[in-house]
Amino acid sequence: QQQVKQSPQSLIVQKGGISIINCAYENTAFDYFPWYQQFPGKGPALLIAIRPDVSEKKEGRFTISFNKSAKQFSLHIMDSQPGDSATYFCAAGFTGFQKLVFGTGTRLLVSP
Amino acid sequence: EAGVTQSPTHLIKTRGQQATLRCSPISGHTSVYWYQQALGLGLQFLLWYDEGEERNRGNFPPRFSGRQFPNYSSELNVNALELEDSALYLCASSLYTGTDTQYFGPGTRLTVL
Repeated sequence: QQQVKQSPQSLIVQKGGISIINCAYENTAFDYFPWYQQFPGKGPALLIAIRPDVSEKKEGRFTISFNKSAKQFSLHIMDSQPGDSATYFCAAGFTGFQKLVFGTGTRLLVSP
Repeated sequence: EAGVTQSPTHLIKTRGQQATLRCSPISGHTSVYWYQQALGLGLQFLLWYDEGEERNRGNFPPRFSGRQFPNYSSELNVNALELEDSALYLCASSLYTGTDTQYFGPGTRLTVL
């Protein structure tokens, strides 16, 4: 019940295309859903996060779509750029317990 | 503003030895978290410290332990090292004011031979 399933494991997108990464969770008590971006040799960096009271959140080229009834959320990267090539992790957490449960990551490659 | 720092960058140990990893949080942050990032397994929550106390623990054996010092820096100790302990160990910090945002350090790569 604490798992977060992430797909696909890897993704190749052409420059200018849309990258879509999906995550699904079981525990309906989760109330915080962040996405992290990790470049090789670096720690993960928070990209964008959403709470279940909204269905979509957009920050620049990055959008989270949240479907509470389906227990799914996804990251959309519009106009993907080679600099977006990185590993992306979704996560879920409980406010107050400060513990994040991470997906297994998606390695994104944006080809020039 | 300096980010989360970790030391050492790399650590090589042999099976059965002990490893000590260190983390300095962002100035003003009181909460420190430890995660293990093994190849292909994503990040697994290890420990959470706040105000010097262990607040939460992941599903790891007791040979994984740590502490938080009065200056909020933290130490992760791994005793009786096993080959499968080889991983990137990430430290994160946050302001414990109800915010959930965790800021990660670059990690310590532990290799157990």
